[in-house]
Amino acid sequence: GAGVSQSPSNKVTEKGKDVELRCDPISGHTALYWYRQSLGQGLEFLIYFQGNSAPDKSGLPSDRFSAERTGGSVSTLTIQRTQQEDSAVYLCASSLVWWGGNDNEQFFGPGTRLTVL
Amino acid sequence: EDKVVQSPLSLVVHEGDTVTLNCSYEVTNFRSLLWYKQEKKAPTFLFMLTSSGIEKKSGRLSSILDKKELFSILNITATQTGDSAVYLCAVPSQGAQKLVFGQGTRLTINP
Repeated sequence: GAGVSQSPSNKVTEKGKDVELRCDPISGHTALYWYRQSLGQGLEFLIYFQGNSAPDKSGLPSDRFSAERTGGSVSTLTIQRTQQEDSAVYLCASSLVWWGGNDNEQFFGPGTRLTVL
Repeated sequence: EDKVVQSPLSLVVHEGDTVTLNCSYEVTNFRSLLWYKQEKKAPTFLFMLTSSGIEKKSGRLSSILDKKELFSILNITATQTGDSAVYLCAVPSQGAQKLVFGQGTRLTINP
């Protein structure tokens, strides 16, 4: 089936505005992850959803960042009052988690390039 | 804190050369180590390694894990310009709930 999709592919916004980034995971994948990649850097974990469990928000850099996952599928990452340092590529990934097996192969979407002016 | 360090950060070689990329890690409750190739935006999966000393191979790419010395290498033989990309190494952290990534190695293959 289709891979992970994200929208928009590019977003340019002004400092102080709110933005919403969307992720559609692979159908049937119960785990969904958001990462951020600043220019020339590795991927930085933001938040993780697994089924109906409470999300792991330990990577969110500030309270301006939030994410939700509705119906165990689509996820939205919201950044409020954007700052220039929020400019990065935001990547979403999903995985089919098998407890006790070889797990956690994460399939990545194409990302959203966010530019805050 | 779990950590992944890759070296070199950047590598430029000529087409046909063989390259070795390095990844060292510190993680509690090690489960696996993953290699990804990132050409534009989306990293694409290359290998998952869980056992020491067992080479995984896919065409001209191969990788091996040393759980005693806590590192992995990714080898690419007979490099081609299409191999130019950022290669990322990652380990699952905290019970495989998230991946901790290294900084990546930017590989450039010149014709």
